[in-house]
Amino acid sequence: DQQVKQNSPSLSVQEGRISILNCDYTNSMFDYFLWYKKYPAEGPTFLISISSIKDKNEDGRFTVFLNKSAKHLSLHIVPSQPGDSAVYFCAASARGGSNYKLTFGKGTLLTVNP
Amino acid sequence: DVKVTQSSRYLVKRTGEKVFLECVQDMDHENMFWYRQDPGLGLRLIYFSYDVKMKEKGDIPEGYSVSREKKERFSLILESASTNQTSMYLCASSSLLAGTLYNEQFFGPGTRLTVL
Repeated sequence: DQQVKQNSPSLSVQEGRISILNCDYTNSMFDYFLWYKKYPAEGPTFLISISSIKDKNEDGRFTVFLNKSAKHLSLHIVPSQPGDSAVYFCAASARGGSNYKLTFGKGTLLTVNP
Repeated sequence: DVKVTQSSRYLVKRTGEKVFLECVQDMDHENMFWYRQDPGLGLRLIYFSYDVKMKEKGDIPEGYSVSREKKERFSLILESASTNQTSMYLCASSSLLAGTLYNEQFFGPGTRLTVL
C-alpha cells in the first residue's frame, strides 16, 4: 500500500521553463511534507518542506504547493536549470507517528535540457 | 553542518558473506535510519533507531539486522548476503528537536553494494 505516490517516473523540460513535479498521498495523518533532490551516486539532499497548516512555501526558484483536500502537493522550479537535473523524492511525515519516520515516494527523474 | 558518513562508497561481496555497513553522524541526532534505493522503487526503509540500543523495523527488514551501541553510530548487518540485496544503501539521521527543520533527515553519500 503506497501512501506517497509520484506517478510520473520522469519529466523533461527546457532550460528556463517551469518544472512541475507532482505528489499524491493517501494518509490523512500526514502533516509535514518534504522534497529531496538526489544526484547519482550521492545521498538525497533536503530541498524544501511545507507544514499542513500552510498551502504554499517558497524558497528562491523552488515553490511547494499543498492542496490538503485533494491530498496533493507539487514542486515548482522556475526557471529550470540544467543543474536541476536529478531525481526528486516527495516525502511525508505524521506527527505523533513512529518517531518522525518519513514515507517516501518512488521519485521523479527530472531532466532539464539546455 | 550536519555530516553523515558511511564507511564505504562501493562494496563487492559474495553470496553468503556477512556484511557490515557502518554509518556515523556528528550532530548528536537521536534518530538514525537505513534505507535502500532501487530503480523504480524509490527509498524503502529497512530499520530505524530512535535511541541507543533501540531499534524498530521499517518496511523491508527481512534479511537485515541493525546495531546501535553508541548514539552516533548505526550499523546495518546482512547476516548472509544474497544477490537480491544488491542495492544502494543510504543512512540518514534526524533530531527530535529539529525546530523549523521538523523531520528533516540528513543523508549520507550512500554505499553501492554488489553481491555476486
